[in-house]
Amino acid sequence: GQQVQQSPASLVLQEGENAELQCNFSSTATQLQWFYQSPGGSLVSLLSNPSGTKHTGRLTSTTVTKERRSSLHISSSQTTDSGTYLCATATSGGNYKPTFGKGTSLVVHP
Amino acid sequence: NSKVIQTPRYLVKGQGQKAKMRCIPEKGHPVVFWYQQNKNNEFKFLINFQNQEVLQQIDMTEKRFSAECPSNSPCSLEIQSSEAGDSALYLCASRDRGQNTLYFGAGTRLSVL
Repeated sequence: GQQVQQSPASLVLQEGENAELQCNFSSTATQLQWFYQSPGGSLVSLLSNPSGTKHTGRLTSTTVTKERRSSLHISSSQTTDSGTYLCATATSGGNYKPTFGKGTSLVVHP
Repeated sequence: NSKVIQTPRYLVKGQGQKAKMRCIPEKGHPVVFWYQQNKNNEFKFLINFQNQEVLQQIDMTEKRFSAECPSNSPCSLEIQSSEAGDSALYLCASRDRGQNTLYFGAGTRLSVL
């Protein structure tokens, strides 16, 4: 089945620095979604980006489908960005069933 | 913002007890997923539904869990006989037909003592 690897496992930044998170997956994905998980556990969808580049606010995701990788760039990090960032991929068809990576834990210090 | 509602937020059970959690998907979303997230951040797909029908489920879910998504009622996931290894965050997600974006609830954190 699909395997999703995220790197780095953890990242510590000073407020204002940029973050680059990576997601690599084993099979061609037709759907890729980035999530933010708060320390309390809630998951929030950040971006759906199966291919190309998408922006929202301070977030930019670039997915290169043929190379089976995606990145999430967070610019000018803030302390409230601290949490876990998860990547999930799925293939199309009747067995649509997203597979999650283990996430990148981000800590942003003031 | 997601409008998937999960209850309860926290659940504490003894080994061998039943543990039941509920999920109300976003209005109009016919597809519902349940995932288990363990303390190592590993997500395990458990089961998904389209309307009231099970689409897929893993072996563990079939044997030890009872899940349903009745019409006009919350979806539910029940562990028939809780084990220590079931301690985890149980996440419910929904999506609209033809759309691939998942929307998650806040989860039910189960502790089995």
